[in-house]
Amino acid sequence: DTGVSQDPRHKITKRGQNVTFRCDPISEHNRLYWYRQTLGQGPEFLTYFQNEAQLEKSRLLSDRFSAERPKGSFSTLEIQRTEQGDSAMYLCANQGLLGLAQNNEQFFGPGTRLTVL
Amino acid sequence: GIQVEQSPPDLILQEGANSTLRCNFSDSVNNLQWFHQNPWGQLINLFYIPSGTKQNGRLSATTVATERYSLLYISSSQTTDSGVYFCAVEGNFGNEKLTFGTGTRLTIIP
Repeated sequence: DTGVSQDPRHKITKRGQNVTFRCDPISEHNRLYWYRQTLGQGPEFLTYFQNEAQLEKSRLLSDRFSAERPKGSFSTLEIQRTEQGDSAMYLCANQGLLGLAQNNEQFFGPGTRLTVL
Repeated sequence: GIQVEQSPPDLILQEGANSTLRCNFSDSVNNLQWFHQNPWGQLINLFYIPSGTKQNGRLSATTVATERYSLLYISSSQTTDSGVYFCAVEGNFGNEKLTFGTGTRLTIIP
């Protein structure tokens, strides 16, 4: 157990519906990342926050995707008007910064597996 | 962006055998991690090793940062070692996210 939790673990939805995922991080780690993993591939970066500020977004993050991290604690990732191509595992990761943790190692949650029918 | 290549893509071994997994990367890094992904998708941290050598039980890893590669060694393989092994790197300032390789799928046969 890495201390990072994600909810829900599985989500099945119909094309066109909106979905929202939640990530609860390790409390003392101030960087929070979202990644997406499709079958047979390694995870790909989507976006990351330092505290409540969203510092970088991948070009994979279309305008149907939005992420928030209010108050620098938990984070949500919303996908609007889901498409079948959104089916993937969505992973959240935490990272402490050098000086605040032993190193800048990232720790991953168990993921949310999304299936869009 | 930074490129990460892992080899071999697939490896099938008898229980008890030793294996070496390789990760090549295209630029200098300030973070390199090895993960084992279990059948439920959880990424398990094996090593944080931007340089040097570390050992943890039957597993060890070496990163030669100047030559841009890392090796993961698994000795006396067990069936529970089966799964996908990922190498991921984080570049220097301005490139602060993990870029993953495509993984090595390891299958240990009893």
